[in-house]
Amino acid sequence: NAGVTQTPKFQVLKTGQSMTLQCAQDMNHEYMSWYRQDPGMGLRLIHYSVGAGITDQGEVPNGYNVSRSTTEDFPLRLLSAAPSQTSVYFCASVESGGLGNSPLHFGNGTRLTVT
Amino acid sequence: QKEVEQDPGPLSVPEGAIVSLNCTYSNSAFQYFMWYRQYSRKGPELLMYTYSSGNKEDGRFTAQVDKSSKYISLFIRDSQPSDSATYLCAMTTGGGNKLTFGTGTQLKVEL
Repeated sequence: NAGVTQTPKFQVLKTGQSMTLQCAQDMNHEYMSWYRQDPGMGLRLIHYSVGAGITDQGEVPNGYNVSRSTTEDFPLRLLSAAPSQTSVYFCASVESGGLGNSPLHFGNGTRLTVT
Repeated sequence: QKEVEQDPGPLSVPEGAIVSLNCTYSNSAFQYFMWYRQYSRKGPELLMYTYSSGNKEDGRFTAQVDKSSKYISLFIRDSQPSDSATYLCAMTTGGGNKLTFGTGTQLKVEL
């Protein structure tokens, strides 16, 4: 049982480049989400999904796209990277209906630098 | 003003000390309150959760929620160097799809 797996662990992009951050979970969780973590700002929700084919915006969605074609995978796309998107990105999942009283399982993050 | 406020620290204590970590919040609809622990270069892990007001104890850790004051606390007794981490409070409404985090408090327990 691998839990939540994020790839890559590190990435450096130039301004304007695009990339996809991968996230996969093997716990059959319906709910998946993406957060970014910045110093002094804490974890901020980018996008989330409550099941395959269903996505919604979080607190800071601009500049990011998501899709959810399977229960297991929830990729995050940066279409045109900007220095303001330099951050640590975390993917997290939880069983359906469990956001309040079940653990949100986090991956170990992708550290992205945009120059 | 942020929905959840948390002192970022850093907080440095000697081994064996009692540690008190706190968060305040403004949204009275929050019903579920959690504490996550995050070690350096790792993802956060759930430490404790409570529903509504009251206390919950788990080993050396005690979580308290005071909804009337919109204030939550985490106490760590007999702190150990292995407790050195960043502690994040988090909360959500009943049936909500979003978890709102505090900024995290960095704790260092020194020998």
